[in-house]
Amino acid sequence: QSVLTQPPSASGTPGQRVTISCSGSNSNIGTHTVNWYQQLPGAAPKVLIYSNNHRPSGVPDRFSGSKSGTSASLVISRLQSEDEADYYCVGWDDSLNGWAFGGGTKVSIL
Amino acid sequence: QVQLQESGPGLVKPSETLSLTCTVSGGSISSFYWSWIRQPPGKGLEWIGHVYYSANTFYNPSLKSRVTISVDTSKSVFSLKVNSVTAADTAVYYCARGVYGDRLDYWGQGTLVTVPS
Repeated sequence: QSVLTQPPSASGTPGQRVTISCSGSNSNIGTHTVNWYQQLPGAAPKVLIYSNNHRPSGVPDRFSGSKSGTSASLVISRLQSEDEADYYCVGWDDSLNGWAFGGGTKVSIL
Repeated sequence: QVQLQESGPGLVKPSETLSLTCTVSGGSISSFYWSWIRQPPGKGLEWIGHVYYSANTFYNPSLKSRVTISVDTSKSVFSLKVNSVTAADTAVYYCARGVYGDRLDYWGQGTLVTVPS
């Protein structure tokens, strides 16, 4: 049982827009920023979005993040084949005094 | 560029202690939270715990009774011990650098630890 709740899967055709939701509580998303990680098969997670809506250098601008209240979203606009991966929302949790993870969303290209 | 590298045995017998070390290079070990995260095969990520450079530690309640994380600032390494392991502890173990209240910004490549059933 993950602290943050994500849908287990999402899919789309190349060029489509895909949205992944992340639901939390006042002890995590409601108080702290949300980060999104992309995990390609066999690789370590990589920061995709940090502080709710900031992209590290090198991350394409088709990835965007937002937060409202105790929920957050990751949007992949113009889906591409290389976006097929697992995506995790992560944020600090005051109850844990550590990082809370979502269960991950597997994005597939149809 | 900050780099983290996990090291330790890839196979641990049931009931024994899993021990891993993470070596930090390219940056100071001060003022950050040094974390361990694991991922069982085919499953999601789980935060195990972290140690602040001053040696304060926090653990996931689900593992707290079996986990110890420590830091050696003089060697720029931090370590994980999980005792009384079972097959359920089989996972890829990652070390990562965390910024308090914010993100885990640098990760190691991960190391697979197998506990046979």
